[in-house]
Amino acid sequence: DAKTTQPPSMDCAEGRAANLPCNHSTISGNEYVYWYRQIHSQGPQYIIHGLKNNETNEMASLIITEDRKSSTLILPHATLRDTAVYYCIVRVVTSGTYKYIFGTGTRLKVLA
Amino acid sequence: DAGVIQSPRHEVTEMGQEVTLRCKPISGHNSLFWYRQTMMRGLELLIYFNNNVPIDDSGMPEDRFSAKMPNASFSTLKIQPSEPRDSAVYFCASKYGPIVAKNIQYFGAGTRLSVL
Repeated sequence: DAKTTQPPSMDCAEGRAANLPCNHSTISGNEYVYWYRQIHSQGPQYIIHGLKNNETNEMASLIITEDRKSSTLILPHATLRDTAVYYCIVRVVTSGTYKYIFGTGTRLKVLA
Repeated sequence: DAGVIQSPRHEVTEMGQEVTLRCKPISGHNSLFWYRQTMMRGLELLIYFNNNVPIDDSGMPEDRFSAKMPNASFSTLKIQPSEPRDSAVYFCASKYGPIVAKNIQYFGAGTRLSVL
């Protein structure tokens, strides 16, 4: 089972910041949080990841709470091309092996 | 780099036929993953390889599914015999580094399989 919880859908006006929350209350101390997105019918695309500190790259910013139980992905100036399903992922250890478990994600719709 | 390359992009076959999906990972990557995506079940990990060795195949649904990685630059996912419920988009992904390292996977464009 996925170790993360995300709202099923969100809308955002074009040009505004999109803030996508994720709850990962059972995350362990050395596990990273990863964000991917999937634009319709394409393969998932890596966005950003983080451990404790806030992270920023050319695509987005990631804010992780001090207790690490939740995080927020920020798209600072959303465009129509950012319409996609966004997945927040924490690795799961089962039978001694690591794997991603993709949940249902958040379907972000950017509105003109 | 061309990224992860999957073929074919689309496959339509009849129930009972054998289907082979192919994947070429990014050069230099040493881990390869096969996923299946359906509306009902979302994105599921089927199997993954590290250094060409299968590490975890617990997601493979049935014995009808098999995967191989004969070398670092090629992998196949075979379904024999295929059934209509196997209709899905199958993704291949690859990454560089040991299993416990930062886990950035790069996905291919997928193969859309329709079993009639």
